Amino acid sequence: NAGVTQTPKFRVLKTGQSMTLLCAQDMNHEYMYWYRQDPGMGLRLIHYSVGEGTTAKGEVPDGYNVSRLKKQNFLLGLESAAPSQTSVYFCASSYSTGVGQPQHFGDGTRLSIL
Amino acid sequence: AQSVTQPDIHITVSEGASLELRCNYSYGATPYLFWYVQSPGQGLQLLLKYFSGDTLVQGIKGFEAEFKRSQSSFNLRKPSVHWSDAAEYFCAVGRDTGRRALTFGSGTRLQVQP
Repeated sequence: NAGVTQTPKFRVLKTGQSMTLLCAQDMNHEYMYWYRQDPGMGLRLIHYSVGEGTTAKGEVPDGYNVSRLKKQNFLLGLESAAPSQTSVYFCASSYSTGVGQPQHFGDGTRLSIL
Repeated sequence: AQSVTQPDIHITVSEGASLELRCNYSYGATPYLFWYVQSPGQGLQLLLKYFSGDTLVQGIKGFEAEFKRSQSSFNLRKPSVHWSDAAEYFCAVGRDTGRRALTFGSGTRLQVQP
């Protein structure tokens, strides 16, 4: 049972570099999310997707882009990394129907921007 | 807008002692409430959830939580803490429509003394 898998687990970038974080889920979930976790702030929603080919902005979308070309994958891109984007990034997924469906989380990607 | 407050940033308890972690929420409709636990370097694991019915809900690892609408609270409890419970705990509120994204509290870090 893989659940939600995030790659890479760690990455160090220089300011201005670009990279893509990959999230893959094998639970056939319709909804997928990208959060960032910063000390003392809990998790904040960056972008989300309610289905293949659809994406939408969350609370802190600036500086990030996403794509959901396949139902099982949700990619988070940083076009020009900034030190303020140093954070731990979590991907999550859930079903779109049913009462009280919880979100299932990956183990996170720790990203440092120098 | 929905919000979650976890007033205790850090709590230390002795092994075998009881535990209560506080969570207060602000939400315009009937909330869907969750408690997640995060061990160091790991993703978030669902402990329990509430969406209707009995206001006292049981979760994994011996945890329970009580929903109190009049106090807008959803406190997490455990009668006897084990050293392995040391982790960070997050309360979250969500809804069953729209994007279904969660709003998280800032977390409570639990330390267990031998």
